[in-house]
Amino acid sequence: EAQVTQNPRYLITVTGKKLTVTCSQNMNHEYMSWYRQDPGLGLRQIYYSMNVEVTDKGDVPEGYKVSRKEKRNFPLILESPSPNQTSLYFCASRRGANQPQHFGDGTRLSIL
Amino acid sequence: AQSVAQPEDQVNVAEGNPLTVKCTYSVSGNPYLFWYVQYPNRGLQFLLKYITGDNLVKGSYGFEAEFNKSQTSFHLKKPSALVSDSALYFCAVRPFRDDKIIFGKGTRLHILP
Repeated sequence: EAQVTQNPRYLITVTGKKLTVTCSQNMNHEYMSWYRQDPGLGLRQIYYSMNVEVTDKGDVPEGYKVSRKEKRNFPLILESPSPNQTSLYFCASRRGANQPQHFGDGTRLSIL
Repeated sequence: AQSVAQPEDQVNVAEGNPLTVKCTYSVSGNPYLFWYVQYPNRGLQFLLKYITGDNLVKGSYGFEAEFNKSQTSFHLKKPSALVSDSALYFCAVRPFRDDKIIFGKGTRLHILP
């Protein structure tokens, strides 16, 4: 089954404790993205990747890092999480620039 | 600045009536436009897209959208609403020659039985 898998689905942690949210897709897609969803703000793009070792900033990259060492994986790293990064995070992938995105089921992060 | 606007936070429609969810955009060049739907505790699901060609685009679950270049709009429509259409709907645009995707803030659609 074609899918985008995020882990963990839920995480409660404390300020300053490094964390990684993993994202993996099994569709051999070139493009992958990370978004955060906040009430009243919709989805905002954090980072995106056009291929292995090619990444670029989205609209809200501050406080986040990403890497794309393999085509299927695109982890999101919070080196020193802060409470304002409490949010619902989505990973997405797409085959080409004009193709629709496939989304994971989301990761709800709470930073205390 | 490039942007997408969904002017209504919430739309209420009686079951069986036609529905419209509005979307307008402001980007340079010819845009690529998408609609997605989100059900509770799930990721977004693709409904339809406009790349080029016919201004009326048909998608999943009986939805369609009309691209209007002069009004820079891409409204989502369905002739007869179902209670199961109740969800959060997002309009998204990919500006020409740009790999970023810009989403609207979403419109919550309530279909009343």
